[in-house]
Amino acid sequence: KAGVTQTPRYLIKTRGQQVTLSCSPISGHRSVSWYQQTPGQGLQFLFEYFSETQRNKGNFPGRFSGRQFSNSRSEMNVSTLELGDSALYLCASSLRSGANTGELFFGEGSRLTVL
Amino acid sequence: EDKVVQSPLSLVVHEGDTVTLNCSYEVTNFRSLLWYKQEKKAPTFLFMLTSSGIEKKSGRLSSILDKKELFSILNITATQTGDSAVYLCAVGGSSGGSNYKLTFGKGTLLTVNP
Repeated sequence: KAGVTQTPRYLIKTRGQQVTLSCSPISGHRSVSWYQQTPGQGLQFLFEYFSETQRNKGNFPGRFSGRQFSNSRSEMNVSTLELGDSALYLCASSLRSGANTGELFFGEGSRLTVL
Repeated sequence: EDKVVQSPLSLVVHEGDTVTLNCSYEVTNFRSLLWYKQEKKAPTFLFMLTSSGIEKKSGRLSSILDKKELFSILNITATQTGDSAVYLCAVGGSSGGSNYKLTFGKGTLLTVNP
């Protein structure tokens, strides 16, 4: 059974640009969550999608957005990049959503560097 | 604001030692506490705890939750070099309605020397 796949694995952008990251969940999983991981703040929740609907949202500015497609694949977009957006972006999938989420299965992440 | 605090932040031990990692939390409408191990990239799931006082065990690892005192511990006995990793504690809560989210601690970096 294939795991969670994230692309691209590494990317470098400059301030002001935008970026789109992709996540393919484990087959059969309908929930996809996104996290930002930095050395200073640790793992921080961005948002969760379930059946193409955003179910939960963390405390990030509107520059961070996402969507989910009918095949459960998800994308997240960051517009007007800032230096502080440099981080490892992790995607996680699970069978269920919300309080019944249970175990999350993480991808290996997309490492974004903003210059 | 939800908060999860892990201690110690880092720990160096010798193979064979026993370690205890701590996780305390303040979360609105607690639902569950999860432990993850992160070696290089993707965190991998260890345990999910929802009830106080019931120990979960997997090989040399075990964990227990105290919902009255708002903390959990992760024990690793007879440590091996392969246990070297960052151990993450995450707590799930609902701040209102169905807005459930996981709040992660900053992790404990465990180094096991041969």
